[in-house]
Amino acid sequence: EAGVTQSPTHLIKTRGQQATLRCSPISGHTSVYWYQQALGLGLQFLLWYDEGEERNRGNFPPRFSGRQFPNYSSELNVNALELEDSALYLCASSWTGSNGYTFGSGTRLTVV
Amino acid sequence: GENVEQHPSTLSVQEGDSAVIKCTYSDSASNYFPWYKQELGKRPQLIIDIRSNVGEKKDQRIAVTLNKTAKHFSLHITETQPEDSAVYFCAAEDKLSFGAGTTVTVRA
Repeated sequence: EAGVTQSPTHLIKTRGQQATLRCSPISGHTSVYWYQQALGLGLQFLLWYDEGEERNRGNFPPRFSGRQFPNYSSELNVNALELEDSALYLCASSWTGSNGYTFGSGTRLTVV
Repeated sequence: GENVEQHPSTLSVQEGDSAVIKCTYSDSASNYFPWYKQELGKRPQLIIDIRSNVGEKKDQRIAVTLNKTAKHFSLHITETQPEDSAVYFCAAEDKLSFGAGTTVTVRA
């Protein structure tokens, strides 16, 4: 069974640009979660999608947005990039209502 | 929303000794408490979890205890080995709020 896959693995952008990160959940999982992990810091909850709908978002500005597609894959968009957006962005998936989360390997975003 | 606090932030133990990490949570509605291990440069991986209807759960050298009344739960690692060195995160449902992490270093 394939795990949670994220692309790209690394992304370098300049300040002010937009970044798009992608996540494919484990087959059968309908919920996708996005987390930001800045260097040396913990996991900050960004967004939760389930069955194509945004169910909850963390304490991040509106320039962090995303969506979930009919095949349950998801996209995270970060607009007007700032230097402090540099971080590892992790995606996790689970079945709806399940507590078991499986993480992807992440996308390392560097803003220069 | 849920607020999870984790202590200590760093923990250094001698190989073979035990390590204990403690977390507290704020939302009494939370009923699922997983622990994740993140090795350097790798993804967080679930190592053990506990639900609110259970007070303790053990898996080989790892155990987790839960006190719902006091709203705290702990991870216990016995007979630590160098490969236990990693960052450990606790979390509480709903919405999976994570603690800030504990960097565990096992000294050979």
